Amino acid sequence: DQQVKQNSPSLSVQEGRISILNCDYTNSMFDYFLWYKKYPAEGPTFLISISSIKDKNEDGRFTVFLNKSAKHLSLHIVPSQPGDSAVYFCAARGHTGNQFYFGTGTSLTVIP
Amino acid sequence: DAGVIQSPRHEVTEMGQEVTLRCKPISGHNSLFWYRQTMMRGLELLIYFNNNVPIDDSGMPEDRFSAKMPNASFSTLKIQPSEPRDSAVYFCASSLTGQHGYTFGSGTRLTVV
Repeated sequence: DQQVKQNSPSLSVQEGRISILNCDYTNSMFDYFLWYKKYPAEGPTFLISISSIKDKNEDGRFTVFLNKSAKHLSLHIVPSQPGDSAVYFCAARGHTGNQFYFGTGTSLTVIP
Repeated sequence: DAGVIQSPRHEVTEMGQEVTLRCKPISGHNSLFWYRQTMMRGLELLIYFNNNVPIDDSGMPEDRFSAKMPNASFSTLKIQPSEPRDSAVYFCASSLTGQHGYTFGSGTRLTVV
């Protein structure tokens, strides 16, 4: 069963506007969360992370929000740029292991 | 560093044939992961090694799948016999204990016809 879910397979946003990508998880023991970005024919690359002791982490245009009570995290991209068009995966790790569980991905298209 | 290196980039094989995917992790990394990407399940963990020892292989779908890590710089994922439903992109990733996140290879696109 999927422990990490991304319910929106795709998202289209106008250039300059905000992109919001959502992710839900089921395991309350997850203690670390990541977002990866993937271009076609390439491997996923690390984008931004957040620990369960925080509720927000910001890196330039990218901000990740964590709502532990709702078991929900989101990635905000402001302003969105055409180069942000890619598939975004969220991932979560349990506190006892080294492996990350990934969602199914959301394909973001930023329209110029 | 050249990053995580996977070979081949593409593999097309006939059903029933043996397929071997290869991975060279980043030098110094002590954990290695094999993932499979499908539309339905996203990035699915198949198996991971720590210090060349398999730690969790619960994601390996069937006995047709096997993985080895004979040394710190090389791992293989073998499918024997292959089936059309094995068609997917297979990723290898590596990390160092304590690091928060992996470095992925570029993947092997497997097509079984």
